[in-house]
Amino acid sequence: AQSVAQPEDQVNVAEGNPLTVKCTYSVSGNPYLFWYVQYPNRGLQFLLKYITGDNLVKGSYGFEAEFNKSQTSFHLKKPSALVSDSALYFCAVRAPISSGSARQLTFGSGTQLTVLP
Amino acid sequence: DSGVTQTPKHLITATGQRVTLRCSPRSGDLSVYWYQQSLDQGLQFLIQYYNGEERAKGNILERFSAQQFPDLHSELNLSSLELGDSALYFCASSPTGTGSTYNSPLHFGNGTRLTVT
Repeated sequence: AQSVAQPEDQVNVAEGNPLTVKCTYSVSGNPYLFWYVQYPNRGLQFLLKYITGDNLVKGSYGFEAEFNKSQTSFHLKKPSALVSDSALYFCAVRAPISSGSARQLTFGSGTQLTVLP
Repeated sequence: DSGVTQTPKHLITATGQRVTLRCSPRSGDLSVYWYQQSLDQGLQFLIQYYNGEERAKGNILERFSAQQFPDLHSELNLSSLELGDSALYFCASSPTGTGSTYNSPLHFGNGTRLTVT
């Protein structure tokens, strides 16, 4: 079965500083990895995804994520945090279609990011 | 705006009752997914429909059921409601969920907040 772990429930960072939100995964075969963000009283919004190719993926709002196969990680990063980045961030994994595993998108438990002014 | 519409936004009902949540997917999307978000269990996949047929099933209780209609809108029916069913229910859609669009991101609605008293 596939799974995602987000080891930090809460991450606090000062505005202007770099931020990292951690994610590790477990899946059979090559993973398809996603990051989503959720603002209060809103649905999840897609930020970026890794399917194949370059391990550094760039997404919306200046976010990027680094895929590390040996560490089974897909950490979300941003060079300079904004107060408006404060939100709940979810990492998600999907097994490749050829794997025969469940094809659903499995989410981590979420990390609340707070950017302090 | 994701293009996914969920109604109602809020629902308050009593234990033992039955409710129906409605979702209209993004124009052109054939797959609809239902997720439950609660504080203790995070974001849980319930069920997926593709072009009117059930495609994948997750942690959906037998008291819950869903369907997707010919116009592609979907309904999630929750019956014999219990206090523990109080949660935010999200609908998401994607183009097909197979083939070249297998890795298309899901687009989420803003959810229906269900409170069971």
